[in-house]
Amino acid sequence: DAKTTQPTSMDCAEGRAANLPCNHSTISGNEYVYWYRQIHSQGPQYIIHGLKNNETNEMASLIITEDRKSSTLILPHATLRDTAVYYCIVRGAGGTSYGKLTFGQGTILTVHP
Amino acid sequence: DGGITQSPKYLFRKEGQNVTLSCEQNLNHDAMYWYRQDPGQGLRLIYYSQIVNDFQKGDIAEGYSVSREKKESFPLTVTSAQKNPTAFYLCASSRSYNEQFFGPGTRLTVL
Repeated sequence: DAKTTQPTSMDCAEGRAANLPCNHSTISGNEYVYWYRQIHSQGPQYIIHGLKNNETNEMASLIITEDRKSSTLILPHATLRDTAVYYCIVRGAGGTSYGKLTFGQGTILTVHP
Repeated sequence: DGGITQSPKYLFRKEGQNVTLSCEQNLNHDAMYWYRQDPGQGLRLIYYSQIVNDFQKGDIAEGYSVSREKKESFPLTVTSAQKNPTAFYLCASSRSYNEQFFGPGTRLTVL
């Protein structure tokens, strides 16, 4: 699976949009981009995933560049409860990549009042 | 309520003792996984199972063992051969290649 690079930490004001970047320049054609987040001492929570089109759900939006080498997770109106570590993961659709999520260090997002 | 349960939330054991961590899911998912997380680090895959009576080693399987006798259950045994067993252990499940759902975790401390 391709490696990802994320900033170590970011801050955001409550009510504003939080834009979390991720670089995955070695991504291959059949690899998906997944985002999870982990609130302190809890299990990770799935947020969203995509292949090449932009995606939106009730939690967030995922913008993937046309060359697929980077993506941005957008939390449109951040709240204090969005403070967490956000993981960007690139994962293949099958074969030896089955089930394996490779978690890096992630981005610590702190939302301020 | 559908979900994944892990018990207990906190577990203390003496060095040299084997310990088994429980993971149960009622989501009817075929695949289940065990991860380990150390302070300030990401998750690392220990074992995973795609189907009942079958499981595969992950990246850090040494010192651990698993079984998958029922679809709903995937217990993890931390053996005395595991050199640094103190960690946060997370169980997850998924339907085929879809997103994984995680349990609340078990924090194991070996004294």
